[in-house]
Amino acid sequence: KNQVEQSPQSLIILEGKNCTLQCNYTVSPFSNLRWYKQDTGRGPVSLTIMTFSENTKSNGRYTATLDADTKQSSLHITASQLSDSASYICVVSAGGNNRLAFGKGNQVVVIP
Amino acid sequence: DAGVIQSPRHEVTEMGQEVTLRCKPISGHNSLFWYRQTMMRGLELLIYFNNNVPIDDSGMPEDRFSAKMPNASFSTLKIQPSEPRDSAVYFCASSLGPVLAQYFGPGTRLLVL
Repeated sequence: KNQVEQSPQSLIILEGKNCTLQCNYTVSPFSNLRWYKQDTGRGPVSLTIMTFSENTKSNGRYTATLDADTKQSSLHITASQLSDSASYICVVSAGGNNRLAFGKGNQVVVIP
Repeated sequence: DAGVIQSPRHEVTEMGQEVTLRCKPISGHNSLFWYRQTMMRGLELLIYFNNNVPIDDSGMPEDRFSAKMPNASFSTLKIQPSEPRDSAVYFCASSLGPVLAQYFGPGTRLLVL
């Protein structure tokens, strides 16, 4: 069973609308959680990195939240733009050995 | 800065051939990572180096895969012999440290026939 589960698998939203992507993990002990954006045909780009003590981190219109108690994270996209169409990957790092566990990604399509 | 540089960008080869992928990390970055991405399995970490030393190679699928980092500005991932199931996009990433933000290269799209 994958240690990082993302939902929804895919999402279509209208330009200008908000959306929220979910990431649930079982990795333990926890070190940090990262969200990446990957455009089609490109390498992933880091959006946020959060450690155990951080609840919220923003990067422009992207806001990530972390609840280390329930082992859940979300990525909120505000006022979506066509350029937000991409795959969003949640990556959780285990404490100690920094072993990485990857989600399969949320595929977001923004339509005009 | 040019970012992480990977070559070749595309590689098509026949089963049994040796494949060598190359990566130049961002100057000053101490950590280098090799990933593989497929539709079925998503993104997988193969190996990472810190200060040119392999730290975790538990993701390397089998002995056909090997990686080296002879100096701070160059790394290779070699597959010998290649098999069709090795077809994937291989990414190299670098960072200032193993827990810091990683910067990915454009990837090498490998197709093994």
